Amino acid sequence: LAKTTQPISMDSYEGQEVNITCSHNNIATNDYITWYQQFPSQGPRFIIQGYKTKVTNEVASLFIPADRKSSTLSLPRVSLSDTAVYYCLVGSGGYNKLIFGAGTRLAVHP
Amino acid sequence: GAVVSQHPSRVICKSGTSVKIECRSLDFQATTMFWYRQFPKQSLMLMATSNEGSKATYEQGVEKDKFLINHASLTLSTLTVTSAHPEDSSFYICSAKRDMDANEQFFGPGTRLTVL
Repeated sequence: LAKTTQPISMDSYEGQEVNITCSHNNIATNDYITWYQQFPSQGPRFIIQGYKTKVTNEVASLFIPADRKSSTLSLPRVSLSDTAVYYCLVGSGGYNKLIFGAGTRLAVHP
Repeated sequence: GAVVSQHPSRVICKSGTSVKIECRSLDFQATTMFWYRQFPKQSLMLMATSNEGSKATYEQGVEKDKFLINHASLTLSTLTVTSAHPEDSSFYICSAKRDMDANEQFFGPGTRLTVL
């Protein structure tokens, strides 16, 4: 399973765009990249998943360069409610399990 | 769709007692369920993988005789913490996959266990 590295914490202000980058140098050919969000005392919530290039949904965008050794989660115009821990995970369905790294603790300030 | 529930949401018990936590996939069949433990300010730690109808696969360092996992149906997995002690106090989270090839796991809301 590919190991991931993310910044431990980030700070932002309401209305700004936040980009969280994750390094996964040992990503395998059949691995997908998935991002989860977790609020205190709640289970993680799926944000977005991608394999290559760019993926966008109603809450975020995921940018994956051609070598797939990193990925960037982009949150447009964050609000206070986006304060949470964001986890980047790498794996494939065949592995059947996800290993969580330390995550990035995002604090959005007024 | 794809909702996972856990019961109870929080439980307080005395040291030495056993506690059962249920994880249910409400609107889909889960061939595989996972159990995680999370201590304050820390990340989720995978404890075990639970496959319907077979024995659970435990991660290294997790005592299978202390954390009993049963996956009796495609919608229910249970985690029993036997002879709980204060150090077992933690946030226990389950997740489920819809099918063997799915890349997405759906997480339950978690169960806060406090052992006095």
